[in-house]
Amino acid sequence: NAGVTQTPKFQVLKTGQSMTLQCAQDMNHNSMYWYRQDPGMGLRLIYYSASEGTTDKGEVPNGYNVSRLNKREFSLRLESAAPSQTSVYFCASPGHLTQSEAFFGQGTRLTVV
Amino acid sequence: GENVEQHPSTLSVQEGDSAVIKCTYSDSASNYFPWYKQELGKRPQLIIDIRSNVGEKKDQRIAVTLNKTAKHFSLHITETQPEDSAVYFCAARMEYGNKLVFGAGTILRVKS
Repeated sequence: NAGVTQTPKFQVLKTGQSMTLQCAQDMNHNSMYWYRQDPGMGLRLIYYSASEGTTDKGEVPNGYNVSRLNKREFSLRLESAAPSQTSVYFCASPGHLTQSEAFFGQGTRLTVV
Repeated sequence: GENVEQHPSTLSVQEGDSAVIKCTYSDSASNYFPWYKQELGKRPQLIIDIRSNVGEKKDQRIAVTLNKTAKHFSLHITETQPEDSAVYFCAARMEYGNKLVFGAGTILRVKS
């Protein structure tokens, strides 16, 4: 039982390149989230998915797209990376009503040069 | 949408003293309020949470209080230890499956 698995752990992109961050959870949770963390800015919600087949924008969705491929997987795509997207990205998945805490993936440190 | 404000941004306490971190939220429909601890270079980890039908919850040295009328909730750490040094985040969520919005975080330093 790995919880939330996120890949890659590190990535360096050139401006304009694209990439997809992968996230998978093995807890049979309905909801999944993508956050970015910048110094002094806390965790800002990019997109979330309340259930398979649904996605919604969070606080900072511009420049990102997401796909809820199935119940387990929720990917985040940067179509044309910009230096402003340099950040640490976290995927998270909360439990059910009786266990609502969000479990976080290990994080992806992305640098756009 | 929900907005969560957290204070202070940094907090230094002497080992053994208490630490209090406060958060306010904007959406009165929020009903779930977790607290996370994040050590340097690691992922956030849940340390305690509270739901809107409860006013206070305690787990050993950690407690959380909730005032729904005033829309604020607080984290209390008693008998602080150096290993409590970390960044602490509060969060609020309207209902299951909805957005989980975080505060900006508090850097807690416990001096020995």
